Amino acid sequence: DTGVSQNPRHKITKRGQNVTFRCDPISEHNRLYWYRQTLGQGPEFLTYFQNEAQLEKSRLLSDRFSAERPKGSFSTLEIQRTEQGDSAMYLCASSSPGSRETQYFGPGTRLLVL
Amino acid sequence: SQQGEEDPQALSIQEGENATMNCSYKTSINNLQWYRQNSGRGLVHLILIRSNEREKHSGRLRVTLDTSKKSSSLLITASRAADTASYFCATVRMDSSYKLIFGSGTRLLVRP
Repeated sequence: DTGVSQNPRHKITKRGQNVTFRCDPISEHNRLYWYRQTLGQGPEFLTYFQNEAQLEKSRLLSDRFSAERPKGSFSTLEIQRTEQGDSAMYLCASSSPGSRETQYFGPGTRLLVL
Repeated sequence: SQQGEEDPQALSIQEGENATMNCSYKTSINNLQWYRQNSGRGLVHLILIRSNEREKHSGRLRVTLDTSKKSSSLLITASRAADTASYFCATVRMDSSYKLIFGSGTRLLVRP
């Protein structure tokens, strides 16, 4: 068990470009969550999956954002036509069926949009 | 937007002293959790307290919950320089998502 991993750890892009982040949860964790954290603030919920089904999306998740978890294992978060306001840390977390209350977080992907 | 507010926003203490952080929230909850985040890193789960509990201990951590006031406190006793981090409370509502609603955090600096 190596914990939740996220790639890349850092991403610098120009405004208007598309970016994709990947999250690999702890194996056998059926729930996977995405959060966004801006500087000096707490994380904000974006969306979550139970297995491959996306069950809830925050209003923060505009139509430029899309998340997938095609086989119920890893997940990707894509941002199209990035804007400077998308600059943030994107955090992924997972939880197990037997302990849904406790989420294990990855190290995050820090995005900077120039 | 965040559900909760934390107080103070920043706290600076000497090693060995106790640190107390407070958290307020707005809606009914299933449980409240405290997380720690070192600069630029992911979050680490510290402790969970359920809505029917009033106090919980884990090592040097003591958490209280007052559901009538919709508030919680985290006490770190005998602080160490390694406790320097940001601390966040997060609430879980009474729904099936178990998503975390975070406060704005307290930045703790423990001076050696």
